[in-house]
Amino acid sequence: DAGVIQSPRHEVTEMGQEVTLRCKPISGHNSLFWYRQTMMRGLELLIYFNNNVPIDDSGMPEDRFSAKMPNASFSTLKIQPSEPRDSAVYFCASSSWTGGAHNEQFFGPGTRLTVL
Amino acid sequence: AQTVTQSQPEMSVQEAETVTLSCTYDTSESDYYLFWYKQPPSRQMILVIRQEAYKQQNATENRFSVNFQKAAKSFSLKISDSQLGDAAMYFCAFINQGGKLIFGQGTELSVKP
Repeated sequence: DAGVIQSPRHEVTEMGQEVTLRCKPISGHNSLFWYRQTMMRGLELLIYFNNNVPIDDSGMPEDRFSAKMPNASFSTLKIQPSEPRDSAVYFCASSSWTGGAHNEQFFGPGTRLTVL
Repeated sequence: AQTVTQSQPEMSVQEAETVTLSCTYDTSESDYYLFWYKQPPSRQMILVIRQEAYKQQNATENRFSVNFQKAAKSFSLKISDSQLGDAAMYFCAFINQGGKLIFGQGTELSVKP
């Protein structure tokens, strides 16, 4: 199993530009999560999907952030327009959920985003 | 509010010795999982160990074990025979019934040769 795949691994962009982060979950997993990690705020859940449907997006900081999951094997997190304060490491994670308590999540390698 | 607290920002251990990382959490739920994740400098989040709340027996994975005290809402991680490769940031995490994984602030562990 290849694990959770994220691309790009590093992204440097200028303020105002659109940024798209991509994630491929582990095959067979039906839950997908987007996290952001910063020194100031630690690890924060931005949004998560069950069976491709967004369940909780309360962690999305503002309208500049959007996430989609068009199918079970692909998700995107888009920031438009980007700002320097969006600089962080963005993780995607996936898990298998069959009801009841949720189990462990497997994380991708992360995307380090720098907005100049 | 559901929270996870790691009161030790940094810890240090001598190689081959034992170290315990502390974690407390707060929730009103009765069915949940607890985890310890390790994040080395590569920043990859690696699952170290997990504990089901309904199980009284403490989880163990090789040199890693937990002391789970449900009534006290405490979930500490013990690393035995510490190795240089254990140096990393360790995060305690709680997952609620809605699937939201809530992390503590992390404890940075250094291992001295």
